[in-house]
This record gives sequence, C-alpha cells and structure tokens, in this order.
Amino acid sequence: DTGVSQDPRHKITKRGQNVTFRCDPISEHNRLYWYRQTLGQGPEFLTYFQNEAQLEKSRLLSDRFSAERPKGSFSTLEIQRTEQGDSAMYLCASSFPSGGYDEKLFFGSGTQLSVL
Amino acid sequence: GIQVEQSPPDLILQEGANSTLRCNFSDSVNNLQWFHQNPWGQLINLFYIPSGTKQNGRLSATTVATERYSLLYISSSQTTDSGVYFCAVEPSGSRLTFGEGTQLTVNP
Repeated sequence: DTGVSQDPRHKITKRGQNVTFRCDPISEHNRLYWYRQTLGQGPEFLTYFQNEAQLEKSRLLSDRFSAERPKGSFSTLEIQRTEQGDSAMYLCASSFPSGGYDEKLFFGSGTQLSVL
Repeated sequence: GIQVEQSPPDLILQEGANSTLRCNFSDSVNNLQWFHQNPWGQLINLFYIPSGTKQNGRLSATTVATERYSLLYISSSQTTDSGVYFCAVEPSGSRLTFGEGTQLTVNP
C-alpha cells in the first residue's frame, strides 16, 4: 500500500493552455475524489467516482473541467483553456465504503497549479 | 448546502499545553472526519467519527451528533502538531464538505 499518488507535484502553465493531472488511488479503494484547495481555505469538492462511474460533479465546476476514470483505477483531471483563477492545489483522495464503519478518506500530496 | 464552522480560527500554544478544537455543523450527518494538514500541505486523516468518542495516542475526538458538534482534543502538544486542523462532514450521499480549519502553532 503506497498511498494515493498524484502527478505532477507542480505545474506552471500559461493562461489559455490545457493541463492534465493524474491520480492513482490506494489499490483496493473503489471511490476516488477530486478536491481543490486555495490558500487559507478548506478543500472544495469537485467530483467523485465509484469505480469508473462519475457519480457527482460540483455545480460550481466550470465546463472547462473534465475528469475520467476509464478502468476504475487511476483518474485524470483536465482543465481546458486555463485561467488565472484556476491556480490552486488540486487534491485527489480515495476511500473504500464499508457500510459506515471507518470510511476514512485518504489524500494524495496534491498538484500545485500556477497559471501565469 | 451544509455549513461547517470551526473554532477558534487560530491557536498558539506552548509545547506541552492541551487544546480543544470545535466543529459545529448545520444539519445531521452520516460521516464526520478530522484531518491534519501539515506545513508541507499533506492532509492526514485523524479520525472517522460520525458519533461517539475515539482516542489515538495524545489525540481524541468526540462527536455529539444530536447537538451537531464535534470536538478534537490535543493533549501534551508537540511542535509537530502544528498545522491546520480540518473538520469535514457529509450529510448524505458521498462527498465531504470541509470547514475553514483551525491554524495551530505550537512553540517550543
């Protein structure tokens, strides 16, 4: 068990470019979440998957954001036509639902995005 | 959506002191978790505690679901306890909503 892995750790891009982040969850976890965090705030929910199905997406999330989890294992988050307001830490997390018993959420180290 | 309020927003302690962090939430919840975000940004899960009391070493947590609050106790604080403590709750469905956190600084 190597924990939740995210790549890259840092990404600097110019406004208008597309970026893609990858997340590898803990292997036996079938739920995968994407959150975004800005300085001084708590993580904000973006979307989540159960296996390969995307079950919920934040209503606040722009159409420029898309996420996939094609085989129910790793996931990618793409941001198209980046804007300066997209600069944030993008966090991935995973969990294994156990009927309400100790359903802890485990986070990766995040990808810090800076849009210039 | 559900509102999560954490207090105090900032806390400064001397090493060895005890502290209590509070989380109030506006609706009944199925899931409540406490996290510690260390100075390097890594979020560490401390407790899954939708109700009742749990202890893990110097940390313990209590959730009184009927009164919509949870408390995190840190005893004999150490400098490594510094960071931001987040409470996160889930009323139903499958996603956690986070509070704005308590920034804890433990001085040697």
